[in-house]
Amino acid sequence: RKEVEQDPGPFNVPEGATVAFNCTYSNSASQSFFWYRQDCRKEPKLLMSVYSSGNEDGRFTAQLNRASQYISLLIRDSKLSDSATYLCVVNTNTGNQFYFGTGTSLTVIP
Amino acid sequence: GAGVSQSPSNKVTEKGKDVELRCDPISGHTALYWYRQRLGQGLEFLIYFQGNSAPDKSGLPSDRFSAERTGESVSTLTIQRTQQEDSAVYLCASSLVTATGELFFGEGSRLTVL
Repeated sequence: RKEVEQDPGPFNVPEGATVAFNCTYSNSASQSFFWYRQDCRKEPKLLMSVYSSGNEDGRFTAQLNRASQYISLLIRDSKLSDSATYLCVVNTNTGNQFYFGTGTSLTVIP
Repeated sequence: GAGVSQSPSNKVTEKGKDVELRCDPISGHTALYWYRQRLGQGLEFLIYFQGNSAPDKSGLPSDRFSAERTGESVSTLTIQRTQQEDSAVYLCASSLVTATGELFFGEGSRLTVL
């Protein structure tokens, strides 16, 4: 079983739409959770960390459900510039190993 | 700049040749990672260095792959006798070892094996 699993998509949504991605992780001892964004042919960059109480950054909201071992990312009022691949990342803090999902592709359509 | 620096950015080589890729992490970051990303695929963990501890080599796909790091500075990833399936972007990342430490990636080295 993979450490981190994501729906690869693609998600094609119109501008202004709300879109949500989910990610599940297998190791209940996981400590830190992140969403990264990767643009085409670019390196991944941190979008936001995910905190136990949930957190929001502008149009982006991240949630963590430890009991069900899943993480979500909600994007409101989608912009064309949100088109990218969104990577779910989990850190077990044991050996500081980061596990990446395969990413969910989002295309925002005019 | 102060980011993770990788070189070369692009490398084209012939099958059977050896290649060396270099990563210069952010100053003060004790953890350094190498990942491989094939076209259209996710990130594949290769190796992890943490300070002076023994590296975690569990992700290296074969004994043709090796990596070194001198203390907490530059790392080199070496691929011997390259094969076409080694063609990929090799990404280096560094981080501070904290409970919420994030990974900072370099722009990658794109390797093409003909």
